[in-house]
Amino acid sequence: DTAVSQTPKYLVTQMGNDKSIKCEQNLGHDTMYWYKQDSKKFLKIMFSYNNKELIINETVPNRFSPKSPDKAHLNLHINSLELGDSAVYFCASSQTNRVSNQPQHFGDGTRLSIL
Amino acid sequence: GESVGLHLPTLSVQEGDNSIINCAYSNSASDYFIWYKQESGKGPQFIIDIRSNMDKRQGQRVTVLLNKTVKHLSLQIAATQPGDSAVYFCAETPGSGYSTLTFGKGTMLLVSP
Repeated sequence: DTAVSQTPKYLVTQMGNDKSIKCEQNLGHDTMYWYKQDSKKFLKIMFSYNNKELIINETVPNRFSPKSPDKAHLNLHINSLELGDSAVYFCASSQTNRVSNQPQHFGDGTRLSIL
Repeated sequence: GESVGLHLPTLSVQEGDNSIINCAYSNSASDYFIWYKQESGKGPQFIIDIRSNMDKRQGQRVTVLLNKTVKHLSLQIAATQPGDSAVYFCAETPGSGYSTLTFGKGTMLLVSP
């Protein structure tokens, strides 16, 4: 039933480690996104993929590498984790990548805590 | 840079009251606006949207008002319920190009029984 699902929900790891977050959507949407929400609840776009192709890459460190094996999945791999990476990461999807009257649908987030 | 922002970080109301959450945006090219509700431990949930060619749109217990002259957006919740307690975000997208959402800072709505 879940439209956009992310795993894991919680991720606690040590500085310097490499970790991945997975996202899947069953809405048949073409476009998927990764957002980062900081401790002040501010949400900011990181990446956007349309039909497996990267279309938006905001100023995100190279340690973050998204991968889209198919249009229903968008994973996020993070190398050499740093304290500042602690945040909640949200995956989202939308019907297309073009602006129109279509909202983005969000998963419930992955809370990443770096020790 | 241009951004979307909220006037009130926290709004406390009594159950049954009407709530109004405000949002100011600065990008005059913004064409589509969305209100999201985020409950604790959950992702943002779509509430209502509005295009720039409209100034009002109503949903179930919610109304969004858009004033393009002063670049202001508001969300009105009628007969607020405890279940409405959450953080509310406005978000905007430009009128062209890729669909990117720029979020405001969020307003916490607290509803007391």
